[in-house]
Amino acid sequence: NAGVTQTPKFRVLKTGQSMTLLCAQDMNHEYMYWYRQDPGMGLRLIHYSVGEGTTAKGEVPDGYNVSRLKKQNFLLGLESAAPSQTSVYFCASSYTGAEDQPQHFGDGTRLSIL
Amino acid sequence: DQQVKQNSPSLSVQEGRISILNCDYTNSMFDYFLWYKKYPAEGPTFLISISSIKDKNEDGRFTVFLNKSAKHLSLHIVPSQPGDSAVYFCAASSSSNNNDMRFGAGTRLTVKP
Repeated sequence: NAGVTQTPKFRVLKTGQSMTLLCAQDMNHEYMYWYRQDPGMGLRLIHYSVGEGTTAKGEVPDGYNVSRLKKQNFLLGLESAAPSQTSVYFCASSYTGAEDQPQHFGDGTRLSIL
Repeated sequence: DQQVKQNSPSLSVQEGRISILNCDYTNSMFDYFLWYKKYPAEGPTFLISISSIKDKNEDGRFTVFLNKSAKHLSLHIVPSQPGDSAVYFCAASSSSNNNDMRFGAGTRLTVKP
């Protein structure tokens, strides 16, 4: 049972380049989330989706775009990467958005912007 | 503005002893609290949670205590085991927007044999 899979695991970009991070879940979860984790800070929500075709902004959405074309996939895009976006990115999913439905996380993507 | 704070970056305890991890929050709208555990190179995994209508929730060796008046919660691990060595994140959400979960910066627990 794969759970939540993030691709790639590591990536180095130059400032101004673009890229897409892929998150896939095989648990038939409705809700999906993208977080970033920076040193000395907790995970911060970038964007989330409450179902196929829907997206919403989280706490730190600037500089990122997302798409949820298929229920099992949630893509995070950086159109023009900046050094401030160097971080570890985590994707998560939950069956519903109910507070008693814990989120299941992928293993993260470590992204460095030079 | 960190609404969830874990003021101890690290904690070291002996195997068999109690581990107490603390978490404070500032937003009085938070009414659900969770603890996640994270091993290196892995994503966080859910450990235990508590609703604001309770002041204690227990699951095996793990107990979470909530003090709403102090806006403080703690995770107790008894007895601590070397396999418990990990980073522990406290998280909180509000029923008015439970998708916007806020996390603390984490506490790295080391359990020494």
